[in-house]
Amino acid sequence: GAGVSQSPRYKVAKRGQDVALRCDPISGHVSLFWYQQALGQGPEFLTYFQNEAQLDKSGLPSDRFFAERPEGSVSTLKIQRTQQEDSAVYLCASSLGLYQPQHFGDGTRLSIL
Amino acid sequence: AQTVTQSQPEMSVQEAETVTLSCTYDTSESDYYLFWYKQPPSRQMILVIRQEAYKQQNATENRFSVNFQKAAKSFSLKISDSQLGDAAMYFCAFSNTGNQFYFGTGTSLTVIP
Repeated sequence: GAGVSQSPRYKVAKRGQDVALRCDPISGHVSLFWYQQALGQGPEFLTYFQNEAQLDKSGLPSDRFFAERPEGSVSTLKIQRTQQEDSAVYLCASSLGLYQPQHFGDGTRLSIL
Repeated sequence: AQTVTQSQPEMSVQEAETVTLSCTYDTSESDYYLFWYKQPPSRQMILVIRQEAYKQQNATENRFSVNFQKAAKSFSLKISDSQLGDAAMYFCAFSNTGNQFYFGTGTSLTVIP
């Protein structure tokens, strides 16, 4: 389809394991955002890319979180040494540029046991 | 810091009636954007409506309209002729930089047949 695609849709990991979440934005979208959404809460900003440049990573909760977008298209959010508090839905969004409407993926629900 | 407050965790409306969802925000900026997003159980966030702060005219999109009161820092969403498909979580969001978006905690809307 033509929308933002995220995979996997569900991910279960044991505490301490590393996980990688993938986001495939809409073709041609310059801006890419990652959000963390805890149960019953609104999305919280994690990081922002403009093409391949990570211009803002102020929302990443710790140095265990790492995001990349090496070719300015697909992005990967990696969480190292996962902890229970990392359990959440991770949403990816893309847009044509700043202030343009964001198109969201379906999210990845991460559960840490 | 920017904050977005949605004081109504849950709302309900009779089908075909009108409902208003409240949102207030706090910022010292004069130029910014405000958004309402809808998140159905499928999890995908969908943009409902967008308002630029420098525009005095309230935005409208078919059955959806906003009441933007800049001085009061209020941005409510009115849904007219409510339909069953309008049932979802509704999030108010604020952005002044274009790359960081701040979301409220959401209002769960139930539409009663």
